[in-house]
Amino acid sequence: ETGVTQTPRHLVMGMTNKKSLKCEQHLGHNAMYWYKQSAKKPLELMFVYNFKEQTENNSVPSRFSPECPNSSHLFLHLHTLQPEDSALYLCASSQDIVTATSTDTQYFGPGTRLTVL
Amino acid sequence: QKEVEQNSGPLSVPEGAIASLNCTYSDRGSQSFFWYRQYSGKSPELIMFIYSNGDKEDGRFTAQLNKASQYVSLLIRDSQPSDSATYLCAVIRGIQGAQKLVFGQGTRLTINP
Repeated sequence: ETGVTQTPRHLVMGMTNKKSLKCEQHLGHNAMYWYKQSAKKPLELMFVYNFKEQTENNSVPSRFSPECPNSSHLFLHLHTLQPEDSALYLCASSQDIVTATSTDTQYFGPGTRLTVL
Repeated sequence: QKEVEQNSGPLSVPEGAIASLNCTYSDRGSQSFFWYRQYSGKSPELIMFIYSNGDKEDGRFTAQLNKASQYVSLLIRDSQPSDSATYLCAVIRGIQGAQKLVFGQGTRLTINP
């Protein structure tokens, strides 16, 4: 276990549904991240939070809405998704946000496997 | 050109041999480099980082960095079936205050008993 938990582990939703993914880290880290991992594509960074403030939105469509109420919790609210949004959504945390000489390890949660019908 | 490029494989290596995984990157200013291992159905886990030219060894793993050639590699000695996984190369790139970790698509490694 990495100290980062995610729920649910699997989610199937229709295009008109609204659902939320939850991430919690027990490591006392200051930075949290959402990544998307699709088959045969690199991990894509979606959002970055530092001390619960969003520092990066990597051109993510507005149907994905992040929320970070505190440094330990991160949510990803989903609404009116498309089938191409089906993927593994990974949450990660690190002590601090990335810098050029950073050697901070990013610890990943187990992911939520999302299927949009 | 992809920011971080890896051969997707699969790369098949007999048990006990050396597995060599390669990665090239496009941002010449990148300074920190990471290798993650991802077992099927699991999340990535860090196995090594390197930021100085040359070799860095940790047990059976050796990371090699050549900044002039923009090339980083991972060698796994005495390969074991448990090393079968996808290996992700990641590079920190970007301008001051806006750096981010960029991943390659990964190389799938299979160690054959």
